[in-house]
Amino acid sequence: QVQLQESGPGLVKPSETLSLTCTVSGGSVTTGSYHWNWIRKPPGKGLEWIGYLSYSGTIKYNPSLNSRVTISVGTSQSQFSLRLSSVTAADTAVYYCARASGFPVYAFEVWGQGTMVTVSS
Amino acid sequence: QTVVTQEPSFSVSPGGTVTLTCGLTSGSVSTANYPSWYHQPPGQAPRTLIYSTNTRSSGVPDRLSGSILGNKAALTITGAQADDEADYYCILFMGSGVWVFGGGTKVTVL
Repeated sequence: QVQLQESGPGLVKPSETLSLTCTVSGGSVTTGSYHWNWIRKPPGKGLEWIGYLSYSGTIKYNPSLNSRVTISVGTSQSQFSLRLSSVTAADTAVYYCARASGFPVYAFEVWGQGTMVTVSS
Repeated sequence: QTVVTQEPSFSVSPGGTVTLTCGLTSGSVSTANYPSWYHQPPGQAPRTLIYSTNTRSSGVPDRLSGSILGNKAALTITGAQADDEADYYCILFMGSGVWVFGGGTKVTVL
């Protein structure tokens, strides 16, 4: 049973870079036809898709965040990371990592518990 | 930019039926978008309910069902229960290879 766990600083200063890591227990981000995603939920708002890294190396980002986001394989093949640059208070949110299946299912199957990140000086 | 539309909120009586919809500001939702539905109770991570339009995730009761109604995807909850109170999200996979999320529907059972 694959499990995901987010980790990283809970407080980031404005204009700095937010960095988070998702650790995959029981799996690897380089095997299986999966999309390894980052999603966030700002306080009082809905879920927002940030982007994904696929097993084949394809990377896709939300166009609204494209210029500030980088998703990559982590220091091991059981990790992937998120970097979001030039953060503002609007980037305050609970950040989730999630695994989605590709063809022919296309569904988010496994979610992490989420980690709260606050942008404040 | 593609925007997915969902009703902001719905109220349903215990035992009642509610149908949530998921549309696009331009174009129609079809099975080729592989619509999926998730609910997120307060303070918890999202949980998968329906994927590929109408396939229930493991453990999801058959009183929840997914479909295409006209030009939208739909999630119908019958026999509503107190623990159905949650935010419900629709997610679509687009041909360009990106995911788009709806804004969510807050369902209240009272």
